[in-house]
Amino acid sequence: DQQVKQNSPSLSVQEGRISILNCDYTNSMFDYFLWYKKYPAEGPTFLISISSIKDKNEDGRFTVFLNKSAKHLSLHIVPSQPGDSAVYFCAASAEETSGSRLTFGEGTQLTVNP
Amino acid sequence: KAGVTQTPRYLIKTRGQQVTLSCSPISGHRSVSWYQQTPGQGLQFLFEYFSETQRNKGNFPGRFSGRQFSNSRSEMNVSTLELGDSALYLCASSLAGWGYTFGSGTRLTVV
Repeated sequence: DQQVKQNSPSLSVQEGRISILNCDYTNSMFDYFLWYKKYPAEGPTFLISISSIKDKNEDGRFTVFLNKSAKHLSLHIVPSQPGDSAVYFCAASAEETSGSRLTFGEGTQLTVNP
Repeated sequence: KAGVTQTPRYLIKTRGQQVTLSCSPISGHRSVSWYQQTPGQGLQFLFEYFSETQRNKGNFPGRFSGRQFSNSRSEMNVSTLELGDSALYLCASSLAGWGYTFGSGTRLTVV
């Protein structure tokens, strides 16, 4: 049972445009959500997170939106840059299991074309 | 400061063998988590150790085990290797269980 799903395995955008990566979850106990970025041969790097008490969190070019009723979150990157090309993972955790147990989606390969 | 260090980076083993992977967390970090990444499966949680105690465990068979030493370094062991155990194994550390930093992983190939 995949509790966190990223339905788009890949996304291609032009440099300077907006990238929107989507993530859906099924477990209503999840209360903390994170996005990680991963380059080949490296471990995931933390990008941005959001608590379930918020519906938006912004950090520079990155904004995460959370729609709890739809159990959906999205990551917006504006403007997209070629260096953003990587695999992006959505992850979630529930307080009852502590933040140590992250449930990840399958990842979305983002390609930003110059 | 030094990041999370995993050794070895690459490993090839034969079915039926066992393997031990090592993880050195960021200095001062007491929590270490392990994840398995396979194509199409994302990252799946294996277990977490905090102050030498297993605090959390994922849904993996008993062939997967781990431990943590007093200096917070951690090892994971996989016994009786199967072809399906071929994966990237990632270790992550944090001060107390939030805000994890990942290592670059160990790529295990079982032939």
